[in-house]
Amino acid sequence: SQTIHQWPATLVQPVGSPLSLECTVEGTSNPNLYWYRQAAGRGLQLLFYSVGIGQISSEVPQNLSASRPQDRQFILSSKKLLLSDSGFYLCAWSAPNTEAFFGQGTRLTVV
Amino acid sequence: GDSVTQMEGPVTLSEEAFLTINCTYTATGYPSLFWYVQYPGEGLQLLLKATKADDKGSNKGFEATYRKETTSFHLEKGSVQVSDSAVYFCARDYGGSQGNLIFGKGTKLSVKP
Repeated sequence: SQTIHQWPATLVQPVGSPLSLECTVEGTSNPNLYWYRQAAGRGLQLLFYSVGIGQISSEVPQNLSASRPQDRQFILSSKKLLLSDSGFYLCAWSAPNTEAFFGQGTRLTVV
Repeated sequence: GDSVTQMEGPVTLSEEAFLTINCTYTATGYPSLFWYVQYPGEGLQLLLKATKADDKGSNKGFEATYRKETTSFHLEKGSVQVSDSAVYFCARDYGGSQGNLIFGKGTKLSVKP
């Protein structure tokens, strides 16, 4: 069966520090991969999605970037965090014509 | 643009009460519609979905029917339990992918014994 792993579960980072969140999927090949953010008072928003290695689409302009160095690995990064980057980050995967399956999320607090 | 609107919470019910959470969407075309649930401190889990008009999604006693004429996908359960306490999100897809989702703002449900 397919599983999705996301880490770390919680993270507290100072303003201006870099960020790297990792997500991996097991049990499937060539998944579509997604990063969502759930910010306080703003609901869930799609940040990036990828349909293949090296293929990244950004949905909103922001201080973050995403990369997909391997088929089942999706990384969310920032060179310098802002206070407004705080939130709950969710990785998800889907196969063609199937619903999305979400990871457990990372709670990021920028201080 | 396309959007999803769901009733604001929080909703507090007694155990065994009837639940309705309203959800409406705007769309060009015919999106697939979803209800996701988020238990405290966890990620999202798919509760149910419907991919075309008049489809009824159901799971764990929850139901929702895709109503194209009213652009609605209301969530219902006949008898809620304490374990149903969670945040419920209505969503629609776009761009031809069920993973590209537009979510409503979520409705927090608390069920009291």
